[in-house]
Amino acid sequence: SAVISQKPSRDICQRGTSLTIQCQVDSQVTMMFWYRQQPGQSLTLIATANQGSEATYESGFVIDKFPISRPNLTFSTLTVSNMSPEDSSIYLCSVGTGSYYGYTFGSGTRLTVV
Amino acid sequence: KNEVEQSPQNLTAQEGEFITINCSYSVGISALHWLQQHPGGGIVSLFMLSSGKKKHGRLIATINIQEKHSSLHITASHPRDSAVYICAVRLSGSARQLTFGSGTQLTVLP
Repeated sequence: SAVISQKPSRDICQRGTSLTIQCQVDSQVTMMFWYRQQPGQSLTLIATANQGSEATYESGFVIDKFPISRPNLTFSTLTVSNMSPEDSSIYLCSVGTGSYYGYTFGSGTRLTVV
Repeated sequence: KNEVEQSPQNLTAQEGEFITINCSYSVGISALHWLQQHPGGGIVSLFMLSSGKKKHGRLIATINIQEKHSSLHITASHPRDSAVYICAVRLSGSARQLTFGSGTQLTVLP
């Protein structure tokens, strides 16, 4: 199945700044999913990123706050913009694989905004 | 009501015990997934089920489509099994994204 390299693994950021999270996949995939996991909560889908088109955002998430790039079939970035302490979460990328397990997840980015 | 409900929310067991985590869902699905999340945040896929039962080492996952229920069993539990176990479903007709349960925090004591 696919292997995802997600960076950074963690960061502590000042409010008002932006952080870009990268996910590199070792094979070509059509769809990549970006999730947020707030403290003590389950995962929530932010957006679905398709190569060559704009990302599709879920209710409650907007492009200005979470811009996504998908320049090719193996790479995507999620930017958390103008951060506030409420953005402190784990952010994960995921791809569907056609393999036995169905999905592969990145190792997560633990973001703390101070 | 959440579409995916897990129980228990927290579970503490002694090493060697048999563990069961339950997942119920209220919608039509094309597949159900069991995931394991370690303290660092990374997630590992354990099983993908659309019917019946799957086994991998000490882990067993079952699903009853008619009852909209799945269980994850761990036999001969070990402290290294301590993690959050998450049930997630792929809704019928969805564009492949998952809907997640709230997770079960498992702690296995030596």
